[in-house]
Amino acid sequence: DQQVKQNSPSLSVQEGRISILNCDYTNSMFDYFLWYKKYPAEGPTFLISISSIKDKNEDGRFTVFLNKSAKHLSLHIVPSQPGDSAVYFCAALSPSGTYKYIFGTGTRLKVLA
Amino acid sequence: SAVISQKPSRDICQRGTSLTIQCQVDSQVTMMFWYRQQPGQSLTLIATANQGSEATYESGFVIDKFPISRPNLTFSTLTVSNMSPEDSSIYLCSVEGTFGEQYFGPGTRLTVT
Repeated sequence: DQQVKQNSPSLSVQEGRISILNCDYTNSMFDYFLWYKKYPAEGPTFLISISSIKDKNEDGRFTVFLNKSAKHLSLHIVPSQPGDSAVYFCAALSPSGTYKYIFGTGTRLKVLA
Repeated sequence: SAVISQKPSRDICQRGTSLTIQCQVDSQVTMMFWYRQQPGQSLTLIATANQGSEATYESGFVIDKFPISRPNLTFSTLTVSNMSPEDSSIYLCSVEGTFGEQYFGPGTRLTVT
């Protein structure tokens, strides 16, 4: 049972345009979400996070939006750059009290020059 | 953020053998985490390792198969025992950052033949 889902395995975007990566979750008790970026042969790198008390968090070109009623979050990258080409994972912190993050399967973003 | 290194970066092993993966952090940390990413799958937490105590394993993972050592606050090892092709994965260690985000090592790509 996949509690965190990234339904788009891949996405291609033209350089300079907006990239929108989506993530859905099933457990309404999740209250902290993160996005990670992963380049080949490297570990995931933390990008941005959002707490359930917010609906938006912005850091430079990266903005994460959280829609709790829809159990949906999205990562917007504006403007997209070729260096943003990577696999992006969303993750949710399990409410079980442990430090357990539940990850989605990832979306491979390709930014075309 | 922490700098994390892992050894080996990759290995090809025969079924029935064991491999020990090392994880070194450049600062002292209370908890270290071990994840597995099977091909095409999300990252899955194997266990949490605290210094001086037994590791805590997630559902579906057992100590006999994945023994973990945590001899000090900067180092941990994960052993994949009696390997089968189904153990072919990327294994990652991580530590927690100040705001709950996790920092990952570069991963160990294991192929079992």
